Amino acid sequence: DGGITQSPKYLFRKEGQNVTLSCEQNLNHDAMYWYRQDPGQGLRLIYYSQIVNDFQKGDIAEGYSVSREKKESFPLTVTSAQKNPTAFYLCASSGGETQYFGPGTRLLVL
Amino acid sequence: EDQVTQSPEALRLQEGESSSLNCSYTVSGLRGLFWYRQDPGKGPEFLFTLYSAGEEKEKERLKATLTKKESFLHITAPKPEDSATYLCAGKVSGYSTLTFGKGTMLLVSP
Repeated sequence: DGGITQSPKYLFRKEGQNVTLSCEQNLNHDAMYWYRQDPGQGLRLIYYSQIVNDFQKGDIAEGYSVSREKKESFPLTVTSAQKNPTAFYLCASSGGETQYFGPGTRLLVL
Repeated sequence: EDQVTQSPEALRLQEGESSSLNCSYTVSGLRGLFWYRQDPGKGPEFLFTLYSAGEEKEKERLKATLTKKESFLHITAPKPEDSATYLCAGKVSGYSTLTFGKGTMLLVSP
């Protein structure tokens, strides 16, 4: 089955802790994206990568970091510098014009 | 600044009551207008891409249309299973990223 997987489905962060969200795709797509979704808000772009070992900041990159060491994987780290991390995080990939999304990870703060 | 605005924010329909959702955009050099469906707690599911004014695409009870300033998602004789949030997004020429609207939450009652 081709698709995008995100794990975990739920993630809890303690004060001052860094946490990493996983995103894997087996669609052979070059580009991958991370979005944040808050209630009543549209999707906001955090980071994106169009090719391995290269990535660009989106509209709300502060407090987040990414890596793209493999084509299939684009993990997102939510650092302690992100003061309001509670949100639904969505990963997407594209091989052309259309972006396809994973199932999402909900991050909650303890 | 490129913007995508969706209306209404929420819409409640009776089963079988047809209606339309609106997506207006103020992006220059639009290279694609995308519609997605999102169920609660899940990632967006791709529905349609429209590229030029006058273009129409259909899928079951949904039809998407595009003019020079806006797109409509027409829902004909909706069923309760059509209840979801519908997102639209624009892609600007020269960029690989999408600008999303905040979505329209549709509830279809039996």
